Amino acid sequence: SQQGEEDPQALSIQEGENATMNCSYKTSINNLQWYRQNSGRGLVHLILIRSNEREKHSGRLRVTLDTSKKSSSLLITASRAADTASYFCATGDTGTASKLTFGTGTRLQVTL
Amino acid sequence: NAGVTQTPKFRVLKTGQSMTLLCAQDMNHEYMYWYRQDPGMGLRLIHYSVGEGTTAKGEVPDGYNVSRLKKQNFLLGLESAAPSQTSVYFCASSRGTGRVGYTFGSGTRLTVV
Repeated sequence: SQQGEEDPQALSIQEGENATMNCSYKTSINNLQWYRQNSGRGLVHLILIRSNEREKHSGRLRVTLDTSKKSSSLLITASRAADTASYFCATGDTGTASKLTFGTGTRLQVTL
Repeated sequence: NAGVTQTPKFRVLKTGQSMTLLCAQDMNHEYMYWYRQDPGMGLRLIHYSVGEGTTAKGEVPDGYNVSRLKKQNFLLGLESAAPSQTSVYFCASSRGTGRVGYTFGSGTRLTVV
């Protein structure tokens, strides 16, 4: 079963615009992570936010976490064509194996 | 620094054949994972390992076996392939601290005909 559900499933914006993706989950988590996947490639870790954190920044990325609503958002500012990819949220469980459960992803298209 | 290496990258199997997918990491990570990715379903955990000699079942373990005889290698086996196992398989590793993300391999695209 999928823990995270991303919204929207697909997003198309122009270069320079901001892109916002949302993720909702169902159970208690240790952390929430965002990954990027370019077509036909493996996933690349972008950012991790722990359950006791509310906001985190990394370059043009901003992640928020609201554990009361069981939701997170990823904001990419000043999008570039190279940001075109699928983005996945993944929730880290509270167990000892650091297992991640992935959502179904948001496909972002950034056009020139 | 290679990170996580998966072999092979592509494979076509006939129903009933067996094969082993190899995952190797050079980061001295304790934890390793096998996921499958199917269209519209995200990634689902097949099996995982929290250290050399240990393995455990994930969300979708049926039809697969794994072994972690060496810390750097995590093998995924299909004993009798079925068309439902057509998928892209990803291996990942992590330090397991819950403070850093996974490092993924580039995937193996498997087709079972």
